[in-house]
Amino acid sequence: DIVLTQSPGTLSLSPGERATLSCRASQTVTTSYFSWYQQKPGQAPRLLIYGASSRAAGIPDRFSGSGSGTDFTLTISRLEPEDFAVYYCQQFGSSPMFSFGQGTKLEIK
Amino acid sequence: QVQLQESGPGLVKPSETLSLTCVVSGGSISSHYWSWIRQPAGKGLEWIGRIYSIGSPTYNSSLKSRITMSLDTSKNQFSLKLNSVTAADTAVYYCARLRDRPTPWAFDIWGQGTVVTVSS
Repeated sequence: DIVLTQSPGTLSLSPGERATLSCRASQTVTTSYFSWYQQKPGQAPRLLIYGASSRAAGIPDRFSGSGSGTDFTLTISRLEPEDFAVYYCQQFGSSPMFSFGQGTKLEIK
Repeated sequence: QVQLQESGPGLVKPSETLSLTCVVSGGSISSHYWSWIRQPAGKGLEWIGRIYSIGSPTYNSSLKSRITMSLDTSKNQFSLKLNSVTAADTAVYYCARLRDRPTPWAFDIWGQGTVVTVSS
């Protein structure tokens, strides 16, 4: 099974700062099949990044994704108040067919 | 634009069957893969299964023995049945659409989620 491990578990930053979230896979992941999601309390997750680096429709350009192989990164260049949420990485491939990381909570410092 | 709406009982008794339906509006169900994903309160996301209008569904092996997914093109909806439920199946259940090629396998549209509690 491919396990996705996100770090840190919680990230405390201030608006205007830069956020760097990591996701490490236990095995190589196909770059085209790697995604990031944002989830706010009481809401469904929202797709931010697909194919490791492509922004989904309507996602601001302060969000960017990078990485390949086993190491992937989500960067938020300048945090806005609405960016404080939980972020999940996700891969498609080996068993289970789809898996998610455990999440990183981005909180206001 | 495409929207998804889950429906089903909010309370299911232990050992019984959880049944949910996801109605797809604003687009054809035949053009994409569709999935169910669940999230226990305060926890992460767990993929349940994937279905297309052609072929057999694919299930998470951890739940495979208890799941049945089906799709009805005439009603533009798909469904989930999870039998022999326990308290561990209590969660918010989401239906979601999978992106099409050229970069597929990301969940690009989600329903709002429906809370299912397993309790007697």
